[in-house]
Amino acid sequence: EDQVTQSPEALRLQEGESSSLNCSYTVSGLRGLFWYRQDPGKGPEFLFTLYSAGEEKEKERLKATLTKKESFLHITAPKPEDSATYLCAVQAYSGTYKYIFGTGTRLKVLA
Amino acid sequence: DGGITQSPKYLFRKEGQNVTLSCEQNLNHDAMYWYRQDPGQGLRLIYYSQIVNDFQKGDIAEGYSVSREKKESFPLTVTSAQKNPTAFYLCATTTSAISEQYFGPGTRLTVT
Repeated sequence: EDQVTQSPEALRLQEGESSSLNCSYTVSGLRGLFWYRQDPGKGPEFLFTLYSAGEEKEKERLKATLTKKESFLHITAPKPEDSATYLCAVQAYSGTYKYIFGTGTRLKVLA
Repeated sequence: DGGITQSPKYLFRKEGQNVTLSCEQNLNHDAMYWYRQDPGQGLRLIYYSQIVNDFQKGDIAEGYSVSREKKESFPLTVTSAQKNPTAFYLCATTTSAISEQYFGPGTRLTVT
């Protein structure tokens, strides 16, 4: 069964304390892996797309990496404004394209 | 100013009433999706449409209906047959079959 698991469920960091969020997946026919940021009461905001193992993408304090079984979202020297829920999703193909979402990691960065 | 709009932001209904959620986009994207988000669960797909006048059921389509008469619009009706309709509803679009999704701001539906 296609599945996406994110860990930890919640994470509290001090401002400047770097860490990583994990997204592990088991899917057949992976086409892409996506990271989103979601603020409370709002729609997810697209961050990165990764297509193949070894690929990396960066944006400000965020860096996403991909292996054959998991992806990491590294947050370097986070700031309070980085507090949000980070969602991981994969796109798989099994006769039709479908997106499978993880349940997210709630990140809180304390000043 | 391109984007996806959903209205209303908050919606309150009595049990037994049908309600329609609006999703409009001016990104010229072909594919549109409706998701439901509940606390502690990943986004679950309700319906999707790849082209005008065609749509497919997602994983939790029971109690919902959609139409796609225009490329820009993909309204979702939550019917009285939906057992637990209170949730946050998200509309999304994609540029192509293999692509990231872009989401609207969401509609929070409360049914009492």
